[in-house]
Order: sequence, then structure tokens, then C-alpha cells
Amino acid sequence: GAGVSQSPRYKVAKRGQDVALRCDPISGHVSLFWYQQALGQGPEFLTYFQNEAQLDKSGLPSDRFFAERPEGSVSTLKIQRTQQEDSAVYLCASSPGPYNEQFFGPGTRLTVL
Amino acid sequence: DAKTTQPNSMESNEEEPVHLPCNHSTISGTDYIHWYRQLPSQGPEYVIHGLTSNVNNRMASLAIAEDRKSSTLILHRATLRDAAVYYCILRSPNAGGTSYGKLTFGQGTILTVHP
Repeated sequence: GAGVSQSPRYKVAKRGQDVALRCDPISGHVSLFWYQQALGQGPEFLTYFQNEAQLDKSGLPSDRFFAERPEGSVSTLKIQRTQQEDSAVYLCASSPGPYNEQFFGPGTRLTVL
Repeated sequence: DAKTTQPNSMESNEEEPVHLPCNHSTISGTDYIHWYRQLPSQGPEYVIHGLTSNVNNRMASLAIAEDRKSSTLILHRATLRDAAVYYCILRSPNAGGTSYGKLTFGQGTILTVHP
């Protein structure tokens, strides 16, 4: 079956622009995670959804970062007024439940100029 | 979260076994040991996990020390496709209901496989 998909795969933004990154999880997966991966580093947790409820947003680096999953399936990570330090790969993962194996998408590489 | 320590890099030849070590001296009794790997330009993928006993699956084997303070991921016959960053992660099934299963990645081990 289809895995986790993310779009766009690459995004270039000018500093100050808003961006929206989309994640399509595996159908039926209750849990959805967002991670941020800086160059040469391991992924770092941003936020977690259980169905449509955002239960953990402790990893969001600032109030410029906002995530939603309104119908419990597709999720969008929005970054307002992008800064150069936001440049990273943003990874989405889904799983049947919070403690199951996570299935990752290919990521969106964001470059802020 | 309990931390893990892995070598920064390792090298192997194709068709040979690879043993990737991980130290986790502060592991708690409820922590499972998970391994994920990340191939170039891809998201991480699950490899294997275990609690106390050694585990085998189609991808790899996981050998866990008796005191659980270390573990080793074993790739029985490395192929070029196994070149990736390997992450050893501790994960408790319910850490007071606040972790919600998030994965805490370290730097991982970069595995290079030579033809």
C-alpha cells in the first residue's frame, strides 16, 4: 500500500515568507508525528497528533510554528515569517498508535534564503 | 530520557557481517531498544526492536546484553544498500503518558559499505 507522502519535496522561501508543508499519513493511522532534521543531525521531535487532537507540541521551536490535522488524516505544518535557522528537512511519520513502529515520509527540504 | 552512545562511523565490506554497537547504561526496566536507519535523502525506517531477549527479523538481528546496558545490531551480510545512518533509540511504552511515543534520535552511526 501507499506509504507516507509529503509535499512539496523541496521548498525555497525568502526570509519572512510563510510556508505550508503537507503530510499524507498511511490511511487509518491514528498517530502522526512531525520532526525537524538539521543538516548532519538526527531528527528532532516537533509535535504529535492523535487523530485530530494535538497532544504534544513541546518541540515546536517558536510560536511561528503551527501544525494542524483537522480531520484526523492529512496534516499541515505551517511556519510563519521564516528565518534562515528554519532551513532543515521536515519529516512526518505516522503509526497505528503512539507506541507502534513509525513510518516516515521522504521529508520536505526547506531552504530559507 | 535515557541516552544512548554510538560510534560516529563504521566501515564494512560488502557480503561481510556488520556489528553496530550501542551503549545505554542508564536504561530503565521499561525501556525498549529500537533501531531505525536512514538511507541518503530518505526518511528513517524501522529496523528492529527488543526488550530483553535477542530478536531476529528479515532485516537484522538484535543482541541485547544480559544487564541491558548495551546492545548490538547485526547485519548478517552487508550490501551496498545498507549504507545509512543507524540510530539506536530507547523508548518506554508509556512514560507517564507524556512522551506519546516520540522518538529521540541521537547522532547515530554512519555505516559505509565498500564494494
